[in-house]
Amino acid sequence: EAGVTQSPTHLIKTRGQQATLRCSPISGHTSVYWYQQALGLGLQFLLWYDEGEERNRGNFPPRFSGRQFPNYSSELNVNALELEDSALYLCASRRTGTNEKLFFGSGTQLSVL
Amino acid sequence: SQQGEEDPQALSIQEGENATMNCSYKTSINNLQWYRQNSGRGLVHLILIRSNEREKHSGRLRVTLDTSKKSSSLLITASRAADTASYFCATDAINSGYALNFGKGTSLLVTP
Repeated sequence: EAGVTQSPTHLIKTRGQQATLRCSPISGHTSVYWYQQALGLGLQFLLWYDEGEERNRGNFPPRFSGRQFPNYSSELNVNALELEDSALYLCASRRTGTNEKLFFGSGTQLSVL
Repeated sequence: SQQGEEDPQALSIQEGENATMNCSYKTSINNLQWYRQNSGRGLVHLILIRSNEREKHSGRLRVTLDTSKKSSSLLITASRAADTASYFCATDAINSGYALNFGKGTSLLVTP
């Protein structure tokens, strides 16, 4: 069974550009979570999608947005990139309506120059 | 916002020794989970302990939970060099909307 897959592995952008990160959950998982891991700050919760809807978001500005597609894959968009957006972006999935463990992808390392 | 806070931030031990990491949190929880991260990549789930449990074991891992003190500890016995990684606690807070909140992690170095 395939795990959570994220693409691209690395992404380099310049200030003001937009970045799009993609995530495919484990088959059968409909809940997708996005986390930002900046250096020294641990994992910060960004967004939670379930059954195609945004269910919860963390304390991030509106330029962080995303969506979930009918096949439950998800996309994270970051507009008007700032230097401090440089971080590892992690996607995780689990079955809907549970508070069980999360399965993580390997992440996308976003560098904003 | 961070819910869990791990202590210590960094820990260095020799192979064969035990490693203990602590986690404190702020609000009532459904469960607490521990994860491991190698080399800044994806996290791997280690163990989950529910709010009505006090202790749980999995192989060389032992987790305790004290809800009155809002704290948990992770003990790794007979550490190996391969245990070198960052360890995070994550809390599933009541009314969090199923979002796990992670701490900043403990960086463990196990030297041969």
